[in-house]
Amino acid sequence: QVQLVQSGGGVVQPGKSLRLSCTASGFTFNSYGMHWVRQAPGKGFEWVAIISSDGNNQHYAESVKGRFSISRDNAETTVYLQMNSLRVEDTAVYFCAKELQWLGPLESWGQGTLVSVSS
Amino acid sequence: SYVLTQPPSLSVAPGQTATFTCAGDNIGDKSVHWYQQKPGQAPVLVVYDDRDRPSGIPERFSGSNSGNTATLTISRVEAGDEADFYCQLWDSGSDQRVFGGGTKLTVL
Repeated sequence: QVQLVQSGGGVVQPGKSLRLSCTASGFTFNSYGMHWVRQAPGKGFEWVAIISSDGNNQHYAESVKGRFSISRDNAETTVYLQMNSLRVEDTAVYFCAKELQWLGPLESWGQGTLVSVSS
Repeated sequence: SYVLTQPPSLSVAPGQTATFTCAGDNIGDKSVHWYQQKPGQAPVLVVYDDRDRPSGIPERFSGSNSGNTATLTISRVEAGDEADFYCQLWDSGSDQRVFGGGTKLTVL
């Protein structure tokens, strides 16, 4: 079955950087786009970024454009989220997710990892 | 940017029907997906493309979409259905994935 196991996260000061990882198994990784979605404490979801199956296309939410970068290593079946110039308002649980099809729903989700930006 | 509006809460007695709404401008022209999130857990896709169910999701869950409102319906509500429910779609105008604010289901 599909498994998405996340790592990374933690507490970081404003302006610093952090990288999240999400390692996939149970499906043909290089055939699916992958997303990052975040959820601030006690709040709803905010979509963050998507990368196409071949890694050649990325799209970002306006709130993170220019600061965050999504990438993938299909050989390692891992998707990454590089977060630079972190702000207090980036504090959230970050989820990676597998799409069902391009422009479609998020079929499977990772367990989530907390990123806390605080001085 | 495209906005999806959901009522913050919904209360239903066991065995009754829960009806969730998700409002958006001409949302009937888009494909809407619904997720269930229980406390401390990752979300689960329960309905996609307006009305399709992933494998393993009970037939009690159904969806529809027309005009300016998409709807998720849970028939014969059970205590275990208590969760937050979110609608989501892809907005072609902004090329962004958009989530509604979520509705908290309380089973009385």
